[in-house]
Amino acid sequence: AQKVTQAQTEISVVEKEDVTLDCVYETRDTTYYLFWYKQPPSGELVFLIRRNSFDEQNEISGRYSWNFQKSTSSFNFTITASQVVDSAVYFCALMDSNYQLIWGAGTKLIIKP
Amino acid sequence: EAEVAQSPRYKITEKSQAVAFWCDPISGHATLYWYRQILGQGPELLVQFQDESVVDDSQLPKDRFSAERLKGVDSTLKIQPAELGDSAMYLCASSLEASSVEQYFGPGTRLTVT
Repeated sequence: AQKVTQAQTEISVVEKEDVTLDCVYETRDTTYYLFWYKQPPSGELVFLIRRNSFDEQNEISGRYSWNFQKSTSSFNFTITASQVVDSAVYFCALMDSNYQLIWGAGTKLIIKP
Repeated sequence: EAEVAQSPRYKITEKSQAVAFWCDPISGHATLYWYRQILGQGPELLVQFQDESVVDDSQLPKDRFSAERLKGVDSTLKIQPAELGDSAMYLCASSLEASSVEQYFGPGTRLTVT
């Protein structure tokens, strides 16, 4: 079965702290894609990153970084030096061989000033 | 940059009433998706269109929900009658084709049923 688990329902940190959001997935497909989206209180989904299953290179984009490990079926997201504007719900998603997105339940991130 | 348009952005309706949402995908995108996102959960696919044809509506509650994309461009999702449990964010997304890995999301319609 295809499944995405975001075990952290809510995380609260003080501004400037580093924070890691966990994502564990299950799939039988050998070719798949993993995504992270941000959903601020306004509700729109903001695309952050897409990785395919053959590319395990870690990605860094400014204060954001992603760690993809096939051995543990994880695709974790780290925010360095968090800011209040990072407060949002973050979703991890898996695109299966039918090109349909399977979503995690999301992690609500609260950054306190 | 082209965007997926949705309207209305917010809708409050009483239970047992009918409600409709509209989505205009990015021009040229053949595939259109409607998702429902209940508070505290990830989006759930309700229906997928390829041009004007339904590809997948396995999760659409067909006793009260209907969706159409008559000319293969814009789409309407209808609920009749609305129930309290239908309160959610309804998201529309589009992609160039069904095998595209990029889906572009609209701003969503937040529905509250009272």
